[in-house]
Amino acid sequence: GESVGLHLPTLSVQEGDNSIINCAYSNSASDYFIWYKQESGKGPQFIIDIRSNMDKRQGQRVTVLLNKTVKHLSLQIAATQPGDSAVYFCAERDGQNFVFGPGTRLSVLP
Amino acid sequence: DTEVTQTPKHLVMGMTNKKSLKCEQHMGHRAMYWYKQKAKKPPELMFVYSYEKLSINESVPSRFSPECPNSSLLNLHLHALQPEDSALYLCASSQVPSTDTQYFGPGTRLTVL
Repeated sequence: GESVGLHLPTLSVQEGDNSIINCAYSNSASDYFIWYKQESGKGPQFIIDIRSNMDKRQGQRVTVLLNKTVKHLSLQIAATQPGDSAVYFCAERDGQNFVFGPGTRLSVLP
Repeated sequence: DTEVTQTPKHLVMGMTNKKSLKCEQHMGHRAMYWYKQKAKKPPELMFVYSYEKLSINESVPSRFSPECPNSSLLNLHLHALQPEDSALYLCASSQVPSTDTQYFGPGTRLTVL
């Protein structure tokens, strides 16, 4: 079946640097994507979303890029902070459900 | 209020016990969801309630029984669970099914002995 996946299971960055977390999806008909952040012991927290009629969307310190040609989604975090350490999931809408990718663990080094 | 609450936070039960997980939201959302999340894995959908009616059951074993008493509440009744059912159970809600962002609760950490 079609699925959403991530290129890297773990990512370590220095505090203050920019982080880029990638996601590959296979359903070319998907029209809506979300990035979630999940801290230890908590539920996933919405970060930012993007619809398929857009290539880029910016939030506070975060940017999501969508490349429909290669079916690739990325999350960029500017000036990464210790509080950004978490597992990040991309999710792709599939009917009434969202299918989650396997997740990337982001570790911020002091 | 943009919060989804879940109780209990932790639950330990034996394989012969009957217990229930509870979820509540007061955002006026008309879709509610149960997910199961194993350690180091993404959430997996179990059930979707749309306007208080069960609309999706992702082939979940009958030892898990969902219930939606009203538009704000979602329960998950547990009976005769297996140790492999131990996981984090997440509740989520969205304004309407399929078109909106899902907001998640903190989850119930379930351990089946």
